[in-house]
Amino acid sequence: AVQLVESGGGLVQPGKSLKLSCSASGFTFSSYGMHWIRQAPGKGLDWVAYISSSSGTVYADAVKERFTISRDNAKNTLYLQLNSLKSEDTAIYYCARSLELWGQGVMVTVSS
Amino acid sequence: DIQMTQSPSSLSASLGDRVTITCRASQDIGNYLSWFQQKPGKSPRLMIYGATNLEDGVPSRFSGSRSGSDYSLTISSLESEDTAIYYCLQYDKYPLTFGSGTKLEIK
Repeated sequence: AVQLVESGGGLVQPGKSLKLSCSASGFTFSSYGMHWIRQAPGKGLDWVAYISSSSGTVYADAVKERFTISRDNAKNTLYLQLNSLKSEDTAIYYCARSLELWGQGVMVTVSS
Repeated sequence: DIQMTQSPSSLSASLGDRVTITCRASQDIGNYLSWFQQKPGKSPRLMIYGATNLEDGVPSRFSGSRSGSDYSLTISSLESEDTAIYYCLQYDKYPLTFGSGTKLEIK
């Protein structure tokens, strides 16, 4: 089946790090650009980062210098490294293939 | 950054009603506009892309249109399953920006 499955979320203290994964299946992962989008509890959608099929990257200003998007085409996996986490990074994080196929999301909670 | 001003923020309508949600872009985005539907506890679902193109599997009662910098999502005859929050998204320029959402309920 064509799907994206996120993992790696959890509760983390402010200033700490976390790495999210998005496992892709059912399609040629290497051919697609991929996005991370987040949604704070009870709030709207917020675009976070993009990586092209050739691994070019773009970030939202709010996460630039703190988050790193990467991909491993051999493992059909997308990553998001979250460093220097802040309480305002608390959200459900979704990976998406070209914005037309989304994963189920993974919750990240930043709290002491 | 491009601002997407979405209205209304909430909407209550009756079954069978025609419903329209609008987003206005703060600068030219061409037709690089998508609409998403999100139901409680679920991931967003792409409904419309390229301002007017219906994604595969989306019911034909949904349609998208453009008039200048105003983009609209219309449901021609509201059904109970259409209860959701709807978001527009511009993907012309980075950072990509979403509208603030419209909560659609059945009266």
